[in-house]
Amino acid sequence: GAVVSQHPSWVICKSGTSVKIECRSLDFQATTMFWYRQFPKQSLMLMATSNEGSKATYEQGVEKDKFLINHASLTLSTLTVTSAHPEDSSFYICSARKGPFEQYFGPGTRLTVT
Amino acid sequence: QKEVEQNSGPLSVPEGAIASLNCTYSDRGSQSFFWYRQYSGKSPELIMSIYSNGDKEDGRFTAQLNKASQYVSLLIRDSQPSDSATYLCAVPGNDYKLSFGAGTTVTVRA
Repeated sequence: GAVVSQHPSWVICKSGTSVKIECRSLDFQATTMFWYRQFPKQSLMLMATSNEGSKATYEQGVEKDKFLINHASLTLSTLTVTSAHPEDSSFYICSARKGPFEQYFGPGTRLTVT
Repeated sequence: QKEVEQNSGPLSVPEGAIASLNCTYSDRGSQSFFWYRQYSGKSPELIMSIYSNGDKEDGRFTAQLNKASQYVSLLIRDSQPSDSATYLCAVPGNDYKLSFGAGTTVTVRA
C-alpha cells in the first residue's frame, strides 16, 4: 500500500495568525511531495513541489513567502500558511510521489480563517 | 503543461450498468496514465494506473490505453451507488507534476 497522512484534518484560525500543516508518507519514502489547494466545486490547483533537502518550487501566482514549505525528511513535508486571511480558507491536500510517477494523496486539511 | 481532456459530464447511469469514461492527452510521449476517484469533500484516491497499450482490469474497473490514438478510458462494470464520484484522468510530466483532466462526475442511480 501507499498511505499518506495529513495533520490536522481541519483547523480554524484567526486572521493574521499562521497555521502549519504536516504531510507524512507512512509506508514509503517520498523524495517529492506536492501541495494542492481546492476550492469548493473547483479543480485541484497545484501550489508547489516539495523536494527533500532542497527548496520548494512554486507555481506561478503562489506567494512563496506566504506559503512556506519545508521537506525536512523523506517522509515529512510541511506547509505553513503565514498571516492567514479569510481568502486563504480552502481545502489543502498534499500528495507524495512513490516510484517514477504515481502520486498518493493525503486526506486533506480543511482550513477556515475567521 | 500537458493537456488532458475528459468527456464532459455529468454521467448518470443506473445501478448495475457500465459507466464509460474517456480521456485524451496531447503529449504523444506520455508513458504513464492514472485514474483517480474523488468523492465530494474528500481527496483524490488512485484507483488505476496503466502504462501499456491494451486493457488492465482490477475488480470492476478496466482501464484501456491506446497510445496511437492518445486516449485512455475507464470502464466501471456493475456500477454501484458507491461509485458516485468525480473521476480524474491524470498524466505526469517530466517534472513529475500531474496534469489533470477537468473530471467527470458520475452518478449511479439506485
